[in-house]
Amino acid sequence: GENVEQHPSTLSVQEGDSAVIKCTYSDSASNYFPWYKQELGKGPQLIIDIRSNVGEKKDQRIAVTLNKTAKHFSLHITETQPEDSAVYFCAASKGYQKVTFGIGTKLQVIP
Amino acid sequence: DTEVTQTPKHLVMGMTNKKSLKCEQHMGHRAMYWYKQKAKKPPELMFVYSYEKLSINESVPSRFSPECPNSSLLNLHLHALQPEDSALYLCASSQSGAGASLDTQYFGPGTRLTVL
Repeated sequence: GENVEQHPSTLSVQEGDSAVIKCTYSDSASNYFPWYKQELGKGPQLIIDIRSNVGEKKDQRIAVTLNKTAKHFSLHITETQPEDSAVYFCAASKGYQKVTFGIGTKLQVIP
Repeated sequence: DTEVTQTPKHLVMGMTNKKSLKCEQHMGHRAMYWYKQKAKKPPELMFVYSYEKLSINESVPSRFSPECPNSSLLNLHLHALQPEDSALYLCASSQSGAGASLDTQYFGPGTRLTVL
């Protein structure tokens, strides 16, 4: 089955700096890669996703890149703010309603 | 509106109790999911309903019994749980019930379950 590795497991950045979270996947058939943000006591919220026919996608301060050849994808958050502090999960899917999650990255933005 | 609602928010139950978790969505989504999430871990898939029929059961113990009464509602019936079943139970939904689609899953806030 699919295996998604995510790193780092924790990340501390100063407010205003950028944060980068990296994931690799094992199944070359995976073609959909969502990113979720989970705040304490809440459910995961989709923040951005990318499909395998696209190499990069951006939404304001958030961007995701995908390298299908290397089977890795990354989340970039620029100009970080304290409210960006949360746990971020990458995930991979090839459909069939199954999504494989990474272990999560706890991001702390220090004011 | 991408809202999935779950009730109750918190639930404490004894090992001999029977309780139910409820999930609701009004986005017209045809696939609904139950996940279990332990502290500091990613969500683990338990069940998937597609067009109100159970399509995936990830070898979940029978003390967890899902039910999908209609396309907007999903229940999880709990009976004779163990303390290790204490976790955050998340419901999610996605647009298409088709098995091969690449649908975004939208999560509810979860029910924090404690089994004493």
